[in-house]
Amino acid sequence: LAKTTQPISMDSYEGQEVNITCSHNNIATNDYITWYQQFPSQGPRFIIQGYKTKVTNEVASLFIPADRKSSTLSLPRVSLSDTAVYYCLVGSYNTDKLIFGTGTRLQVFP
Amino acid sequence: DVKVTQSSRYLVKRTGEKVFLECVQDMDHENMFWYRQDPGLGLRLIYFSYDVKMKEKGDIPEGYSVSREKKERFSLILESASTNQTSMYLCASSPYSGGTSTDTQYFGPGTRLTVL
Repeated sequence: LAKTTQPISMDSYEGQEVNITCSHNNIATNDYITWYQQFPSQGPRFIIQGYKTKVTNEVASLFIPADRKSSTLSLPRVSLSDTAVYYCLVGSYNTDKLIFGTGTRLQVFP
Repeated sequence: DVKVTQSSRYLVKRTGEKVFLECVQDMDHENMFWYRQDPGLGLRLIYFSYDVKMKEKGDIPEGYSVSREKKERFSLILESASTNQTSMYLCASSPYSGGTSTDTQYFGPGTRLTVL
């Protein structure tokens, strides 16, 4: 099973770029990497998903090296509203388990 | 927009009670999931379902059961609630991807269950 490891917390200031790395050494061939964002008292919300190399959308970028043993979520120019917990998810429906990481609590300061 | 609703935001039950947590999604999704979320442990998968009357165990199924009689509804059942089941319970749904990727999961707002 592809267990994931993330930093417990990170601090940043408004306008800075934030990079959150997730380690998944045992990722399987069919596994995708997905990131979710969670605000207090809400369920997680999908941010981005990728399989390899780089994926970018209007919210974030996801960098995945060739060995796929880690991935980095990049949030450009964060604002106060980006303060949340970010989860890294590795898995596919070809495996029995969907593994969420423990999450990274990002605090953005003015 | 996909909407996933859970029957209660807050629930207080006593040890030994049978507890039902209901989840309904309105987007005709094949897949539905139940997670629990605890401080320092993140989200842990309890059970998931690929189709009506189908269910698969997740990471921590002990002490729980599920029911999916209709496509839009997925119920989590605590047969005999215990204090260590005090937690936030999150339901999610996603469309069927053909087994090639993890499709976006849409989460409900959660039910905070307290077992006294």
